[in-house]
Amino acid sequence: EIVLTQSPGTLSLSPGERATLSCRASQSVNSRFFAWYQQKPAQAPRLLIYGTSNRATGIPDRFSGSGSGTDFTLTISRLEPEDFAVYYCQQHTGTMYTFGQGTNLEIK
Amino acid sequence: QVQLQESGPGLVKPSETLSLICTVSGDSIGSHRWNWIRQPAGKGLEWIANVFDYGGGRWYNPALKSRVTISSDTSKNQISLRLTSVTAADTAVYYCARDVRGDNYGHFDSWGQGILVTVSS
Repeated sequence: EIVLTQSPGTLSLSPGERATLSCRASQSVNSRFFAWYQQKPAQAPRLLIYGTSNRATGIPDRFSGSGSGTDFTLTISRLEPEDFAVYYCQQHTGTMYTFGQGTNLEIK
Repeated sequence: QVQLQESGPGLVKPSETLSLICTVSGDSIGSHRWNWIRQPAGKGLEWIANVFDYGGGRWYNPALKSRVTISSDTSKNQISLRLTSVTAADTAVYYCARDVRGDNYGHFDSWGQGILVTVSS
């Protein structure tokens, strides 16, 4: 099983700032099968990025993804108030899917 | 636009079987991989299993495989989950989610609202 480790666990920033969230895999992941999600309280996760760098439908261009192999990054260029949430990375390899433990992006 | 709706008992006794249904509208369940994912309160997401190819294909999380059965009913456009011998550790919000088949897959583009299942006597 590929383990995904997200850092930091909590990120405290102000609106307008840039956010950089990291996800490290225990083994190399095919970049086609790497995604990011946003989850707000009492809501289901929402797909943000798939295939490492492709924005899902309706996702603003302030969200961007990059990376390869074992290191992946989600960047939010200028934080809006609605961006404060928990973010999860996810990978698919073989017949398995795994998620990272999440990064809590909170207002400073 | 696809919609997924989970349903089932919100309370299950320890050692009994958890049974949930996901009803899909706006898409055919034969077209994609349909997944169950769970999330204990305040914790992260755990993929449980999926079904595809009109029920002919199934993948399971090895950690849960011995207790999980996933199936589909194409006539009702529903996905079912059974989890046997439940304990308090199985208390979670259970989500149904779609993994679209095609050139870009391996992620979950549509989710149900989730259903809270509590295991308690």
